[in-house]
Amino acid sequence: ETGVTQTPRHLVMGMTNKKSLKCEQHLGHNAMYWYKQSAKKPLELMFVYNFKEQTENNSVPSRFSPECPNSSHLFLHLHTLQPEDSALYLCASSQTSGSNPWDTQYFGPGTRLTVL
Amino acid sequence: AQSVSQHNHHVILSEAASLELGCNYSYGGTVNLFWYVQYPGQHLQLLLKYFSGDPLVKGIKGFEAEFIKSKFSFNLRKPSVQWSDTAEYFCAVNADSSASKIIFGSGTRLSIRP
Repeated sequence: ETGVTQTPRHLVMGMTNKKSLKCEQHLGHNAMYWYKQSAKKPLELMFVYNFKEQTENNSVPSRFSPECPNSSHLFLHLHTLQPEDSALYLCASSQTSGSNPWDTQYFGPGTRLTVL
Repeated sequence: AQSVSQHNHHVILSEAASLELGCNYSYGGTVNLFWYVQYPGQHLQLLLKYFSGDPLVKGIKGFEAEFIKSKFSFNLRKPSVQWSDTAEYFCAVNADSSASKIIFGSGTRLSIRP
């Protein structure tokens, strides 16, 4: 499955570091998403981009900064994170339309982030 | 606030047993409903979805789900499970008044004894 790729797959960082997560979709979709998956908690939607425009910021702290330079690429810039930010960060993409803004999402493998 | 509840956190079944995983949501309007599955070591992927029409939806690998509006439920079923169904299952809901939001349940881990 190479539709949605994410790099790196694992990341360990200190609280003062700055790092970025990268997502790329090869499906020709027009929407991309960042999710956070923590142990024993529901998958949390963080950001939504439609046609490169951010349409949703789900009350995410400013230490997470998304960037969507084009409809195929999505980044999540991280700085001064906290240990509780340790989680699996999933990227997804979908093809949206006016009648179905939410259709099937295709997920990447995720980046396992550990903040020390 | 809208929410999605999956009351079974871990279900253990023997092969050939019948499966029903519960999903309840709290929203009174029109909803789009999804079940996603994550097999061990694999990506999260769509199992089935309901947007409108027949409330009994058939998905891949013999799974089906029934939307019961009066019960705010979208339970997942399979008449006879296989060892390969071992996975984590997530219910998700998008309410049409929140076009940019989707809410996932906390997931149900299904373990099948061979």
